[in-house]
Amino acid sequence: NAGVTQTPKFQVLKTGQSMTLQCAQDMNHEYMSWYRQDPGMGLRLIHYSVGAGITDQGEVPNGYNVSRSTTEDFPLRLLSAAPSQTSVYFCASSHDGTRTYEQYFGPGTRLTVT
Amino acid sequence: AQSVTQPDIHITVSEGASLELRCNYSYGATPYLFWYVQSPGQGLQLLLKYFSGDTLVQGIKGFEAEFKRSQSSFNLRKPSVHWSDAAEYFCAVASGGGADGLTFGKGTHLIIQP
Repeated sequence: NAGVTQTPKFQVLKTGQSMTLQCAQDMNHEYMSWYRQDPGMGLRLIHYSVGAGITDQGEVPNGYNVSRSTTEDFPLRLLSAAPSQTSVYFCASSHDGTRTYEQYFGPGTRLTVT
Repeated sequence: AQSVTQPDIHITVSEGASLELRCNYSYGATPYLFWYVQSPGQGLQLLLKYFSGDTLVQGIKGFEAEFKRSQSSFNLRKPSVHWSDAAEYFCAVASGGGADGLTFGKGTHLIIQP
């Protein structure tokens, strides 16, 4: 198993550009989520999904879109990048609703918006 | 709303010395508690978790944590640290019912002195 994979590892964007951060898992996990990590802030939940076709907002959803068309993939879209979105983004997955909290994390995508 | 406080931003410990990292949580019911470790440039790895039962939980890499309901604490301990333990450590809490992800503390940066 590859576990949770994320691409790209690094990305630089200009203000106003859009892009998609990819996340995939091969563990057949129902639950997937996106966090951002900022210095001194810990990780904060952006969006999550409890299964294909179902998504919901987390703590800091503004400026981000998600969709879940398959169990394996959970892409995160930045609609119009802003410098405040400079961060490290982590995708996570877990088995199902009863074990939602034992999450497996990807290696992260470091995004810089200039 | 639930919250997690890690009072120590940085901790420096000599190699071979004991370690205790503090974590306090705020949550109305029985919390699900976690400790994660993040090595430089890496994703997060689960060290241990507490759901119910024995309040002293053992994790990987020789770590343990004790849940104390009366103090709303879940401190992480290790009897003898190794240079490879230098990393960022995050305490997290999940609500008992929903699927809305984890609430993380801001992290404690552990420095190991030779």
